[in-house]
Amino acid sequence: NAGVTQTPKFQVLKTGQSMTLQCAQDMNHNSMYWYRQDPGMGLRLIYYSASEGTTDKGEVPNGYNVSRLNKREFSLRLESAAPSQTSVYFCASSEVRGAQHFGDGTRLSIL
Amino acid sequence: DAKTTQPNSMESNEEEPVHLPCNHSTISGTDYIHWYRQLPSQGPEYVIHGLTSNVNNRMASLAIAEDRKSSTLILHRATLRDAAVYYCILNTGNQFYFGTGTSLTVIP
Repeated sequence: NAGVTQTPKFQVLKTGQSMTLQCAQDMNHNSMYWYRQDPGMGLRLIYYSASEGTTDKGEVPNGYNVSRLNKREFSLRLESAAPSQTSVYFCASSEVRGAQHFGDGTRLSIL
Repeated sequence: DAKTTQPNSMESNEEEPVHLPCNHSTISGTDYIHWYRQLPSQGPEYVIHGLTSNVNNRMASLAIAEDRKSSTLILHRATLRDAAVYYCILNTGNQFYFGTGTSLTVIP
């Protein structure tokens, strides 16, 4: 009963380092999403993938890249991390217009 | 500008009904209204969603105004486990726009 699995759960980076956040879902959903949540705020959409092989920008895409590796997996990459990217990152999946299922998040700190 | 506006916080007594309001005056005809809730250190959890008609499920009811510029999430009998931040969200195509949410406190 895994649902949406995100790795890692915590990460500390130095400014300028790169890293990839991983997300996998086992619900056979077509759509997948990456969000960030800053303290005291709602979630903001970074990128989404409506189906395997497609990706599109969300509300705050600058500084990020994504890859929809297959139907199950959707990764988020920070090429050159900046302190402004310190946040909690959530991955989600859904069917079109359906309920989103979220992972438990990755807490990322950039020094 | 936020696409949805909600009160920052609300309180309810345990076992009483709770009405959580949301304004979304810029909604367009094909936008869905979603509600999610979030406990500390967890991802958001789906509660309910709808387009035009009122919706009911085992968790809650969603009442949508006739002009669709506002909606209300109704928890019929609040329990301590319902204490969370509740987000009202506009779903435009594949974009989801979260507001800052309402923090619900349930008083025993």
